[in-house]
Amino acid sequence: AQSVSQHNHHVILSEAASLELGCNYSYGGTVNLFWYVQYPGQHLQLLLKYFSGDPLVKGIKGFEAEFIKSKFSFNLRKPSVQWSDTAEYFCAVNILNAGNMLTFGGGTRLMVKP
Amino acid sequence: GAVVSQHPSRVICKSGTSVKIECRSLDFQATTMFWYRQFPKQSLMLMATSNEGSKATYEQGVEKDKFLINHASLTLSTLTVTSAHPEDSSFYICSAGGGTGFNEQFFGPGTRLTVL
Repeated sequence: AQSVSQHNHHVILSEAASLELGCNYSYGGTVNLFWYVQYPGQHLQLLLKYFSGDPLVKGIKGFEAEFIKSKFSFNLRKPSVQWSDTAEYFCAVNILNAGNMLTFGGGTRLMVKP
Repeated sequence: GAVVSQHPSRVICKSGTSVKIECRSLDFQATTMFWYRQFPKQSLMLMATSNEGSKATYEQGVEKDKFLINHASLTLSTLTVTSAHPEDSSFYICSAGGGTGFNEQFFGPGTRLTVL
């Protein structure tokens, strides 16, 4: 069965610091990749997604992620975080042509200090 | 993106009662809906996948008689927690797929269930 790993469980940064959250998955076939964000008290929102094409994907709020197939990774980045980025971030994987089922990583809780 | 609603947002019930949670896709037809459970400070765990008009597919370890799922229409799926116990207290989240995006899911705001 596929699995998704997020190695950083908690990250604390100061405003303007750069962010990189790791995501690795274990599936050798073609996948669709997602990053979701869950702000405190709110529901999951899609940050960005990768289906095909340019492996560097740009999402909302200045986030981007790079798909590196050889490393089975889809790391999330932001050059300069803001206090409002404090949230929990989830990486998710969907196997192509296997329906809409998503497998989620364990999540990374980001706290940005003002 | 598409909008998915859940009702109720919070429910507190006594042990032994049954609780029904509704999930609606408001502006698209959801051929597939998913039910997740999220424990405090943990990730989402898929409980079951439901397709409109057919029986739900449950993940390993999820009791189908405990968590009844009905997907009677393309815009509504319900999760009923039968004879709820304190260990069923959790955050239940639904998502809907088959909307405007390929292989995308749109998430509801979740329902916090507390069983006393």
